[in-house]
Parts: sequence; structure tokens; C-alpha cells
Amino acid sequence: AQRVTQPEKLLSVFKGAPVELKCNYSYSGSPELFWYVQYSRQRLQLLLRHISRESIKGFTADLNKGETSFHLKKPFAQEEDSAMYYCALKLHSSASKIIFGSGTRLSIRP
Amino acid sequence: KAGVTQTPRYLIKTRGQQVTLSCSPISGHRSVSWYQQTPGQGLQFLFEYFSETQRNKGNFPGRFSGRQFSNSRSEMNVSTLELGDSALYLCASSLAPTSASYEQYFGPGTRLTVT
Repeated sequence: AQRVTQPEKLLSVFKGAPVELKCNYSYSGSPELFWYVQYSRQRLQLLLRHISRESIKGFTADLNKGETSFHLKKPFAQEEDSAMYYCALKLHSSASKIIFGSGTRLSIRP
Repeated sequence: KAGVTQTPRYLIKTRGQQVTLSCSPISGHRSVSWYQQTPGQGLQFLFEYFSETQRNKGNFPGRFSGRQFSNSRSEMNVSTLELGDSALYLCASSLAPTSASYEQYFGPGTRLTVT
């Protein structure tokens, strides 16, 4: 069955420290993976997608098919990074059906 | 460009009633998807509409239904409400399901409370 796992419900790091939010997926097909972010009192929004291989707000994520992981990383955390982060898997068999992980709340301490 | 709008933003209903939620996509977007967000189950896909046709459906009972109009606006309906239907219902729009530049834009959600 298709599944996205985010093992950490809460991750708290100090400002300036590196951040890594873990995401593992289970899918037999070719995956398309995303990270979504929801800042306090704002809408859920796309942060980045693996096919773009881009860095957004200093965050990067690399798809590792061998480990079925798509961890989100940032070398130096900033206070404005505090938010809820969701890893998501888009199924190729279904254009818009996205499976979300349970989310990780990232808290950056000053 | 105006974002995705959802109405109403908050709703309180009692068990057994039915409810209709509305979503207006971004202008030019023809695909609308619905999600249910609860503390226990997280974000779960409900269904997706494109060109007034339901393309995909998640694992929800038949009490959950929806439709899309010719102007791409979408409604979802929940009949015979149960306490467990209390959730934030999110709508998301995109240009098209098979758009190469795939990105879904989410609305603010409708908070449904069933008492």
C-alpha cells in the first residue's frame, strides 16, 4: 500500500543549527514527492518538489529511491522556518491524488 | 490573482444533518481536489474533479459526494453527518490534473463541527 511516513511529530532546533525533517515513502511505482508547509494562520502551500531539484528558502530535498526517502534539509535554521511541514506523494496512476504524511512541527528556538 | 476561496469558513451542524461546502478555484484552474484534515488521520484525499467529472475518489463512504460546475467551482456534500466528520475541509485547485507544471493551491479551509 502507498504510504508516507514522517517519524517526528515535533522537531525543535536552535536558530542557526542544521535542520533535517525525515520522510519515508512506500510506493511501487515511480514516485513524485513534495514538501508542503503551513505557517501559523496561513494556508497550506507547496515548498518544493523533487522533480525541480531546487532550493526554496534554503531548503533542499533529495529523493533517495534506494532508501525510499525524501528528507528535507536546511543548513542553518531561521526563526521564520517554524511551521508545520508535510511530505507528500503523488501517485502516477492518479493525477491529483496525493498522499500526505502526518506532518512534523518544526520549532526554531532563538 | 485571487486565491482559492472556500465558503463558509466555519460551520456547526448536528448529527444526522447534511452540509454543503463550496470552493472557488483560482481563475483559469480547472481541476479541484478536496481533502479532509483531522488531528487523528491527518490530511486525506476525498476526491478530484476536472471538467465537471469526478476523476478520483479517496476511501470515504458514499455519504461524501461532490460536483463541479461549468465555471470550475466545486461543491462537496456530506449527508447524515456523524461526529467523526468534524474536520477542516480543504479545497485545492490546479491548472489541470495532467499539467506538467503541477502545483496545487490550497484554500483556507472550512472548519466543520458536528455536535
